[in-house]
Parts: sequence; structure tokens; C-alpha cells
Amino acid sequence: EPEVTQTPSHQVTQMGQEVILRCVPISNHLYFYWYRQILGQKVEFLVSFYNNEISEKSEIFDDQFSVERPDGSNFTLKIRSTKLEDSAMYFCASDEGSLANYGYTFGSGTRLTVV
Amino acid sequence: GDSVTQMEGPVTLSEEAFLTINCTYTATGYPSLFWYVQYPGEGLQLLLKATKADDKGSNKGFEATYRKETTSFHLEKGSVQVSDSAVYFCAVQAGGYQKVTFGIGTKLQVIP
Repeated sequence: EPEVTQTPSHQVTQMGQEVILRCVPISNHLYFYWYRQILGQKVEFLVSFYNNEISEKSEIFDDQFSVERPDGSNFTLKIRSTKLEDSAMYFCASDEGSLANYGYTFGSGTRLTVV
Repeated sequence: GDSVTQMEGPVTLSEEAFLTINCTYTATGYPSLFWYVQYPGEGLQLLLKATKADDKGSNKGFEATYRKETTSFHLEKGSVQVSDSAVYFCAVQAGGYQKVTFGIGTKLQVIP
């Protein structure tokens, strides 16, 4: 079964450092998303991406965050200057874009720890 | 905006017990409804879905029926197993390709 692949599975970074989280969506999918889950809390929407541009973003997704699809296969989330409160599990997801609305396929997540 | 309310856990059941996890939603139009499951240390997996009123989603013995009149999508299973121990998230999506809004998650622990 096709998978969404995220790397690394765990990243530790110092406060103030830049971090890039990587995702490889399913190859024929057209819509891409980032979500985050602070430990023990709900899963929160960050951003959606279609046709090489952001289609929607939440208030969490401020100027410190950016997304990119640099080479047609990878989909990255960059945090420019990490804060302690950015520590969370970050999930990438992709959607084929069918009107049948099959639901997202999520990756297994990257656990980001900011120290 | 869209929102999902689900019962807070943890829910502790004995093996073979009946499970109900309540979920209600608010959303405009004709949203799709989902249950996702997160096993310990893993990501989010789509468990089941329903895309229109009165649809019943089912998978692995779990069922949920889209009730538009009560804006509910309760998850049920007739006989839980230890392997069902996980966190269950109810979710709503207002339309195709739009963001999915999750409930807070309900932790289920099944004891032998």
C-alpha cells in the first residue's frame, strides 16, 4: 500500500536554530498538508499546499514557518528559528484530490524536540 | 469554523466489552466524517469514513453512522481486543481537499 514517508523520525534542535522536516507524499497525490500534535493534545492543522502554492494556513503558521516542494517529490516544512513551544509531533499528509474524498494518508510523523 | 467534540478519556474496558466513543461535530454544508486511530508511538491511520448522511463507515469491526439530524458520528465496536488499545480521533472535513479538523482524541485501554 502506498505510504507517505517522513524523515527524520526524531529531531532534536537547539532553540533559535532552523529545522527542515521532510516528507515524500504518495506519488499521484495532488494536495499536501502539515499538521502538528503537541504531546497529549489535539492534532492541529498548519498548512495545505496545492499546485505549488499555499491554499490555506492556520494562525499557527506564522512567518517562522514555510513550506516548499523543491523537486516534485519532496514536501518540506521549515521552521526558521525554533522555539521551545515548537516541540511537537509533525505529521505530513497527502490527498489524491478525488471528489470521492477518501481521506488523507498521513506519514508516521517527525518528533521535534527543541531544547 | 468547523469543530469536533468527543468524549475525553481515558476509557478502560475489559477484553470483549462493547465500545462506544461519542463524537459530535459542527460544520457548514455537507462535511465528510472520519475516525482516525493512533497506536502507541505511531502516526495517524484512517480507520473509517462516511461522506453523506446515513452512511455507515466500517473497518476492523468498528462502525460509525453519519447522523445529520444529531450531528453525530459515534464509534462503536461490539467486542474490543487488547490490540485495539490506542487513541481514537474523530474528524470532520467540510469539503474535498480542505483541512481536516480533529477532536481532542480519546485514549482507549483494553485490559485482558
